[in-house]
Amino acid sequence: DQQVKQNSPSLSVQEGRISILNCDYTNSMFDYFLWYKKYPAEGPTFLISISSIKDKNEDGRFTVFLNKSAKHLSLHIVPSQPGDSAVYFCAVLSSGSARQLTFGSGTQLTVLP
Amino acid sequence: NAGVTQTPKFRVLKTGQSMTLLCAQDMNHEYMYWYRQDPGMGLRLIHYSVGEGTTAKGEVPDGYNVSRLKKQNFLLGLESAAPSQTSVYFCASSLTGGSSPLHFGNGTRLTVT
Repeated sequence: DQQVKQNSPSLSVQEGRISILNCDYTNSMFDYFLWYKKYPAEGPTFLISISSIKDKNEDGRFTVFLNKSAKHLSLHIVPSQPGDSAVYFCAVLSSGSARQLTFGSGTQLTVLP
Repeated sequence: NAGVTQTPKFRVLKTGQSMTLLCAQDMNHEYMYWYRQDPGMGLRLIHYSVGEGTTAKGEVPDGYNVSRLKKQNFLLGLESAAPSQTSVYFCASSLTGGSSPLHFGNGTRLTVT
């Protein structure tokens, strides 16, 4: 049973528009949330994160929103650029002693020029 | 600045053969991890280490062994490869555990026939 779900395997967006990537989780014990970006033939790289005590974190063109009541996380990219085309993974960290990351299955974002 | 280096990049094994995947990091990170990535499954944690000489099981440890004899190296072993172990393997390291971002290598694509 997947605790972290990215229900959209793929997303296409025009250059300059907003990209919104979504992630849902089931366990209310998760208290830290991260997004990783992955290009083909490379490992994932850390993009942005948010703690459960916040509902928004912004870093340049990237903003992560957290809705704890809905157990929903989203990543907004504005404006989208062709270089943003990659697979985006959300990852969640549970509180407690066994603090390991659980990854979603990823969303392939394609930004069309 | 190499970061996390994985060798080999590609490998083909026959069922029952053994092999070791090598991971080296030059960032003096305490924590190291082995993940596997399968289509539609995201990244799943195989084993991890919280420091030199320590190892612990992750989500999918069966069929794998690990060793962390030196702080900078984390080895993943397959004693008797099975087709179900066909996957892309990623090594990662982090300065500490918890919310410390992971730094990934570029992966090893393993095919077991």
